[in-house]
Amino acid sequence: GQNIDQPTEMTATEGAIVQINCTYQTSGFNGLFWYQQHAGEAPTFLSYNVLDGLEEKGRFSSFLSRSKGYSYLLLKELQMKDSASYLCAVKDSNYQLIWGAGTKLIIKP
Amino acid sequence: NAGVTQTPKFRVLKTGQSMTLLCAQDMNHEYMYWYRQDPGMGLRLIHYSVGEGTTAKGEVPDGYNVSRLKKQNFLLGLESAAPSQTSVYFCASTPGQGDQETQYFGPGTRLLVL
Repeated sequence: GQNIDQPTEMTATEGAIVQINCTYQTSGFNGLFWYQQHAGEAPTFLSYNVLDGLEEKGRFSSFLSRSKGYSYLLLKELQMKDSASYLCAVKDSNYQLIWGAGTKLIIKP
Repeated sequence: NAGVTQTPKFRVLKTGQSMTLLCAQDMNHEYMYWYRQDPGMGLRLIHYSVGEGTTAKGEVPDGYNVSRLKKQNFLLGLESAAPSQTSVYFCASTPGQGDQETQYFGPGTRLLVL
C-alpha cells in the first residue's frame, strides 16, 4: 500500500528553527509537495521537490532524498503565525496526490 | 478572481437526508477534486474530474456521487447521509496534471451528520 508518515505534533520556540520530517512509500513518484494549513482553513501550497536536494524559499526550505523516500521541511526564524499544520503529499504514478496526516506545529513565545 | 469557492460553509444533516455540495472555480482549470479531511488522517480523495463531462472515483467514493456539467463547477452529492460522512470536505482544482501542478483549495464545507 501507499503510506506517508509524519510526526503528529511538534513544539518549537519563536525565533528558533524546526525541521518536520516526512517519509513515504508510494507506487511511483512524480514529486513531493508541502502545504500549510491553519486551523479551520484550507491547505495552501508551500513547496515542491522532484529532484534530490534542497529548495529554499525565504524562511522555508524543503529537502528531498528519493533513494531514501524522505523529505523534510525546515522553518527558520519561527514566528507565531507559523503555528499551523504542515502536510506532506506525494504525487504517485497516476499523478494523484497521496497525503500524510499532517504535523501540527505549536510555536511558543 | 475568487479562486475556488464552496457552498455551503457548514451544514447539519440527519441520517438519511440528502444534500449537494457545490464547488466553483474561476481559473479555467481542467482538473477538479473532492477530498474529505478527518482528524488524524490525511486528505482522502473521494472523486475527481479531468474535464467537463468526466468524473472518476478516488480512494473513498462509496456513498457519494459527483457531476461536472460545466467546466467551472463540480458538485458532490450525498444521497443518504450517514454519521460516518461527518467530515470537512475540500474541493480543489489544478490547470492540468503535470508534475509541478499545485492544487488550489476551496475554504471547505463542514458537515455534521446526526
